[in-house]
Amino acid sequence: AQSVAQPEDQVNVAEGNPLTVKCTYSVSGNPYLFWYVQYPNRGLQFLLKYITGDNLVKGSYGFEAEFNKSQTSFHLKKPSALVSDSALYFCAVRDIESGYSTLTFGKGTMLLVSP
Amino acid sequence: EAGVAQSPRYKIIEKRQSVAFWCNPISGHATLYWYQQILGQGPKLLIQFQNNGVVDDSQLPKDRFSAERLKGVDSTLKIQPAKLEDSAVYLCASSLVSGANTEAFFGQGTRLTVV
Repeated sequence: AQSVAQPEDQVNVAEGNPLTVKCTYSVSGNPYLFWYVQYPNRGLQFLLKYITGDNLVKGSYGFEAEFNKSQTSFHLKKPSALVSDSALYFCAVRDIESGYSTLTFGKGTMLLVSP
Repeated sequence: EAGVAQSPRYKIIEKRQSVAFWCNPISGHATLYWYQQILGQGPKLLIQFQNNGVVDDSQLPKDRFSAERLKGVDSTLKIQPAKLEDSAVYLCASSLVSGANTEAFFGQGTRLTVV
């Protein structure tokens, strides 16, 4: 079975500082990996995905994520945080072998960026 | 393009009552998903449609939950009878195809409170 772990319930960072939101995954085959962001009273918005190729993936709003197969991780990063980045972030995984497989989400990490 | 539309946004019902949620996916999207997001948890897939056929309903509590997608476009999710533990946000999402590398686009969700 596939699973995602987001070990931090909350990440606090000062505006202008770099941020990292951690994600590790477990799949039987090779993964497709996704990051979504959820603002209050809003649905999930797609940020970026890793399918294949370059381990560093760039996405919306200046976010990027690094795929590390040996550590089974897909951490979300941004060089300089903004207060408006404060939101709930979800990592998700699909097993590459299963065309219809479930998109499995982690429990989410709340990012709080202070002015 | 218009996003995924869901209604109602909020619903409060008493336990043992029934409730229905409606979803209109992005035009042309063949795959439609219903997720349940309980407070403090990541979204959990309830059911996935490919056009008007079900491809995954393994986590749908079929004794009380039902869903349909007539004509392969709009979808409804019904709960009858509702229990207190059904209080959650119900998210509808759609994707262009069902391949493992495609991202899903989410609606704003319906927040259900069962009292």
